[in-house]
Amino acid sequence: AQSVTQLDSHVSVSEGTPVLLRCNYSSSYSPSLFWYVQHPNKGLQLLLKYTSAATLVKGINGFEAEFKKSETSFHLTKPSAHMSDAAEYFCVVSPFSGGYNKLIFGAGTRLAVHP
Amino acid sequence: DAGVTQSPTHLIKTRGQQVTLRCSPKSGHDTVSWYQQALGQGPQFIFQYYEEEERQRGNFPDRFSGHQFPNYSSELNVNALLLGDSALYLCASSFKGDQPQHFGDGTRLSIL
Repeated sequence: AQSVTQLDSHVSVSEGTPVLLRCNYSSSYSPSLFWYVQHPNKGLQLLLKYTSAATLVKGINGFEAEFKKSETSFHLTKPSAHMSDAAEYFCVVSPFSGGYNKLIFGAGTRLAVHP
Repeated sequence: DAGVTQSPTHLIKTRGQQVTLRCSPKSGHDTVSWYQQALGQGPQFIFQYYEEEERQRGNFPDRFSGHQFPNYSSELNVNALLLGDSALYLCASSFKGDQPQHFGDGTRLSIL
């Protein structure tokens, strides 16, 4: 069975400092992995996706993530946090099942950004 | 280009009632998935519709049912509502079940 573990429920950073949100996954084969962001009272916005083309994936708003198969990790990073980055972040794995894909979400990491 | 739209945005029901939530997929998308997001948790997959048929189902009871129409829009029905059904219900669409899925802003369902 596939699963996702987000290692931190809350992360707090100062504006202008780096962001690291950690995610480990469990999969019996090479998965599709995603990071989504959710701002308060809003739906989910796709930040980036990994689908085996390249291990370092660049997303929107300066975010990127590195797929490390040996460590079963897919950590999300950003060099410099902005106040607008404060939100809930979800690491997501998608098992491929006969052409029909569902998303399995981690519990989420709440990012706080302080001035 | 309209994204995924859901209605209503908020809904209040009482235990035992039935509810219907609606979703219009992003233009060009033909697959609709529904997720339940309880407060403080990640979304949980309910089911997915493609070509008007339920293709996959998560671990939800039969009280949760759905439908997809020829124009690809979809409904989620929940019968015999329980307090634990209070959640944000998210609809996501994609093309032929491929990734990524695009999400609507959700329907906030409160059960009293």
